[in-house]
Amino acid sequence: EVQLVESGGGLVQPGGSLRLSCAVSGFTFSSYWMSWVRQAPGKGLEWVANIDQAEDVGEKNYVDSVRGRFTISRDNAKNSLYLQMNSLRAEDTAIYYCARGGVQLWHWGQGALVTVSS
Amino acid sequence: QSVLTQPPSVSAAPGQRVTISCSGSISNIGSNSVSWYQQFPGTAPKLLIYDNDKRPSGIPDQFSGSKSDTSATLGITGLQTGDEADYYCGTWDNSLSSAVFGGGTKVTVL
Repeated sequence: EVQLVESGGGLVQPGGSLRLSCAVSGFTFSSYWMSWVRQAPGKGLEWVANIDQAEDVGEKNYVDSVRGRFTISRDNAKNSLYLQMNSLRAEDTAIYYCARGGVQLWHWGQGALVTVSS
Repeated sequence: QSVLTQPPSVSAAPGQRVTISCSGSISNIGSNSVSWYQQFPGTAPKLLIYDNDKRPSGIPDQFSGSKSDTSATLGITGLQTGDEADYYCGTWDNSLSSAVFGGGTKVTVL
């Protein structure tokens, strides 16, 4: 069974940092693109970033609103996906989902809530 | 303002058919495959349609997808109260170099 489990969410002050993790099981993690998608309270889905199968030299893409502040990465040995979020803003408040796939998202985690507030 | 345009809501009686449109441009739908997702309140989205018109294993043929030029459509036949959810289209945008979603459509069974 495919499972994706996010962790690391919480309350952070504006300008602060947070690192989300996504532990996966049930499939060969190193064979798939992975993505982060967020959903602000009461709003629609917003794709955040994706990363190809390679760890360090692989392709990474970001939505304009987070480019330069967020960094997506992965550790194939640990079957884990990460999202390092710096210079957080109130508008980054959302549930963050990790998902298998780069564009077509086949499996999703349950989400981690990130709240940016003073 | 989403790059892909969906109607905010659609509704129909039980057993009827609804369609949800997703309008884009040459740089997104016109050049790439479209996927559709279903989301119930408080839960994660679920893939319904990929590659414009294909259903993952376990998705009933009640759901169908199509694409023409710069628009895509999700069809739901035999509407049931259990189909009340939000539905999103998504694809890649070559100009933005990012994936994009529609704003979502809430399906209501009357």
